[in-house]
Amino acid sequence: SSELTQDPAVSVALGQTVRITCQGDNLRSDYASWYQQKPGQAPVLVIYGKNIRPSGIPDRFSGSSSGNTGSLTITGAQAEDEADYYCNSRDSSTNAFVFGTGTKVTVL
Amino acid sequence: QVQLVQSGAEVKKPGASVKVSCKASGYTFISYYMHWVRQAPGEGLEWMGIINPSADSTTYAQRFQGRVTVTRDTSTSTVYMELSSLRSEDTAIYYCARNCYDSSGYYCIDYWGQGTLVTVSS
Repeated sequence: SSELTQDPAVSVALGQTVRITCQGDNLRSDYASWYQQKPGQAPVLVIYGKNIRPSGIPDRFSGSSSGNTGSLTITGAQAEDEADYYCNSRDSSTNAFVFGTGTKVTVL
Repeated sequence: QVQLVQSGAEVKKPGASVKVSCKASGYTFISYYMHWVRQAPGEGLEWMGIINPSADSTTYAQRFQGRVTVTRDTSTSTVYMELSSLRSEDTAIYYCARNCYDSSGYYCIDYWGQGTLVTVSS
């Protein structure tokens, strides 16, 4: 079955830039979507497709893709960006979806 | 506005089944696929399956094949997820979540239910 691998944790100084990566074979043919989850809350979509931000998501969030790796970048991280982040993509051969293993972002 | 309202918390014994409901409102129910995702305590998100409410077709994650069934009732705009042969490892929050698919062919999940805690304990 398809898998998406993320670094377990990253930290970033307030106002600095952090990039979260997601690796998997699915991403050679499909873009990742990205979700932010804060404790006790449902996930929130922050990026999908070729760097598309839903309404209400700050423009400090951006996405990119290269080969089998998708990336979410937070430029000028804020305290409220401290959360868990998950990537997701679809396996085009099975139409099943999969979430990445998740990355905990700490803003110092 | 789009709303996904799930049924309340459940406590089940090992070996039993649980059926969680998700009532959708604020959009055309049959126009959007619906996912089911779970999250065990302190763990990550795990994708379980998806239903096309229009065609009544489903796709499940391989690890849940044979144990999960997702159905829908178009008359009430409600999707159901039933998980059988429960074990302690199935203790988790279960979410329904609406699939989005834009004109460029990009997939995403744009709305989530509030989650339903299922506890499996003897």
